[in-house]
Amino acid sequence: QIQLQQSGPGLVKPSQTLSLTCAISGDTVSSNSVPWHWIRQSPSRGLEWLGRTYYKSKWYNNYAVSVKSRITINPDTSKNQFSLQLNSVTPEDTAVYYCARGDVSLDHWGQGTLVTVSS
Amino acid sequence: QSVLTQPPSVSAAPGQKVTISCSGTSSNLGKNYVSWYQQLPGTAPKLLIYDNNKRPSGIPDRFSGSKSGTSATLGITGLQTGDEADYYCGTWDSSLSNVVFGGGTKLTVL
Repeated sequence: QIQLQQSGPGLVKPSQTLSLTCAISGDTVSSNSVPWHWIRQSPSRGLEWLGRTYYKSKWYNNYAVSVKSRITINPDTSKNQFSLQLNSVTPEDTAVYYCARGDVSLDHWGQGTLVTVSS
Repeated sequence: QSVLTQPPSVSAAPGQKVTISCSGTSSNLGKNYVSWYQQLPGTAPKLLIYDNNKRPSGIPDRFSGSKSGTSATLGITGLQTGDEADYYCGTWDSSLSNVVFGGGTKLTVL
């Protein structure tokens, strides 16, 4: 069955870069037209979609306007995983971050990573 | 402030039925399928309903979904204490080119 396993640090200093990875088993990151997403959740913002990557003859990305200037989502076909980089973080970026798979419906989710932005 | 609007909380007694509403606009629910997610405390959201009214394998038929225009509804019958969770609706917004979610509804089974 499909599983998503997240990894990455739980504490990031303000102004630095948040980096998380989502390893995929049971599917491939380059599956045709299957999007792979990053979403975060905080008490103040609820569930907030950050962006997605997908392959359809070439790689595509979509990003939320709220983070578009700071975010990069990259697929890694050699390791069958994808990553999130969020630059110039502030305490407002403190949240539980999830990776997920799916088109309109997100049918598989990672376990979640609590990332705290603090000095 | 979430793009989709849900009631903050609903409650009902064990064995009863409850419905949770989700309201959107012509650019999201008016154009695209709705999904529903259940989030138990301390866990990731879990897909409950997709394509408006379909249930993934393993989801009991006590859970149902419907959509009309720019509104959607999740129904849960035969309520159990294990159904106490937060429920979220989600869809694609064609104007934003974003996945969008509701603010979540906390279900209490009294």
